[in-house]
Amino acid sequence: SQQGEEDPQALSIQEGENATMNCSYKTSINNLQWYRQNSGRGLVHLILIRSNEREKHSGRLRVTLDTSKKSSSLLITASRAADTASYFCATDGDSSASKIIFGSGTRLSIRP
Amino acid sequence: KAGVTQTPRYLIKTRGQQVTLSCSPISGHRSVSWYQQTPGQGLQFLFEYFSETQRNKGNFPGRFSGRQFSNSRSEMNVSTLELGDSALYLCASSATTGMGAGGSNTQYFGPGTRLTVL
Repeated sequence: SQQGEEDPQALSIQEGENATMNCSYKTSINNLQWYRQNSGRGLVHLILIRSNEREKHSGRLRVTLDTSKKSSSLLITASRAADTASYFCATDGDSSASKIIFGSGTRLSIRP
Repeated sequence: KAGVTQTPRYLIKTRGQQVTLSCSPISGHRSVSWYQQTPGQGLQFLFEYFSETQRNKGNFPGRFSGRQFSNSRSEMNVSTLELGDSALYLCASSATTGMGAGGSNTQYFGPGTRLTVL
C-alpha cells in the first residue's frame, strides 16, 4: 500500500484562490517532499521538508509537517492556471533503505 | 546542466515480447531509480541503482530487471510483456542515496517512457 495518501484526490478552485492539499503517511521519516506532475510528464521537485522542521516556504508554496500526526500539507497561494497539475507527496523511511514512496496524488484544476 | 533523459519516449509492444528502456542521469548523479506509473496503481517504485549496484527493489516480479553502467546510465528490462505492463515508466536521478537522516535525496525525473502493450 502507499506510504503517503493525499487528500483530496481532486480539487478544483478559481484562479487566485488558495489551494491546500494534505498528505498522511504511515512510518517514521527523515524527509518529506512534494512534487508536481503535469499531465503525462515527469515529476518536478517542489520542496523538501526535514523531519525536524515544522514549516517551510518557497515562493507561493508553504509546506507544514506534523510528525506527531504523520501528516503534511501543501498550500499554494494565489493560484494560477499554470498550477493545474497533479501533486504528490513522497517520503523516505528512517531505515538504511533509500527508496522513496509516493502518495496517490491530488489532481488540482485551476478554473480561469 | 542537462536534465535526465529517457529513451525511447514512446514504445508499442505486443504481449510476450521484451523491452529495454534507457535512462541517462544528470551529470554527476550516481543514483538512478525507476518507477512505474499507472492510473490504477499510481507511482510504484521498481528499483534503485547506485554505483552499479541495486540498492533497493520494489514489489515487482522478476520479469522486471535493471542495471547500471559505470557512467551511471541505467537500463531497465521487462521480459514476457503483459497487458498490465502498459504504463509510464519514469526514471529519476539523485546525487546520493539519501541514507540516514542527513540525506536529502531529491530526485530529478526524466520525461518518462510511455509503454503500450497490445
